[in-house]
Amino acid sequence: EAGVAQSPRYKIIEKRQSVAFWCNPISGHATLYWYQQILGQGPKLLIQFQNNGVVDDSQLPKDRFSAERLKGVDSTLKIQPAKLEDSAVYLCASSSQRGDRRDEKLFFGSGTQLSVL
Amino acid sequence: AQSVTQLDSHVSVSEGTPVLLRCNYSSSYSPSLFWYVQHPNKGLQLLLKYTSAATLVKGINGFEAEFKKSETSFHLTKPSAHMSDAAEYFCVVSRIRGTSYGKLTFGQGTILTVHP
Repeated sequence: EAGVAQSPRYKIIEKRQSVAFWCNPISGHATLYWYQQILGQGPKLLIQFQNNGVVDDSQLPKDRFSAERLKGVDSTLKIQPAKLEDSAVYLCASSSQRGDRRDEKLFFGSGTQLSVL
Repeated sequence: AQSVTQLDSHVSVSEGTPVLLRCNYSSSYSPSLFWYVQHPNKGLQLLLKYTSAATLVKGINGFEAEFKKSETSFHLTKPSAHMSDAAEYFCVVSRIRGTSYGKLTFGQGTILTVHP
């Protein structure tokens, strides 16, 4: 089966510019997550969607980050304006479960590597 | 709150020798624990997971981990390392009991190097 698709693979911008990342989950997966992985650290959850609704965005810096999943399929994560500390890999993951089962399995994309100069 | 601590940032072994990657966890509830592997320029891949069934969990590629509640540990082992095992490994705990086992808390990662 096709995996989680993310684009672009790499992005370089200057601080204060805007950037957007795209994710297409595995077909039929209702749950979608965005994670941020700063160099040398493990990924950190930013936001969780269930279909087209936000389940948890408690760790999303809402003053500059936004995300949407309008039709409950693909998703976009935006940063506006970007800061130096936003340099990271942004990972998208999806799951067929609703998120409340112990047998839930996440599938991760390869990520978008963002460099803010 | 849940957290995991990976005790080694780097582990180096020779091909054919055993692998041990150490992880301690902290959780207010009975945790779900995972090990993920990340090869360069590839997505995270689930190696194995513990969800309160058998304490010895077998995963893919010959890896296994043992859940020890008394020691709050979930160490990853493999009897014989292969060159293809070189990667970064993450110990992970699910964040919240009952809702959303996809909300994962990752450790800092352990980079495994395998020498010929």
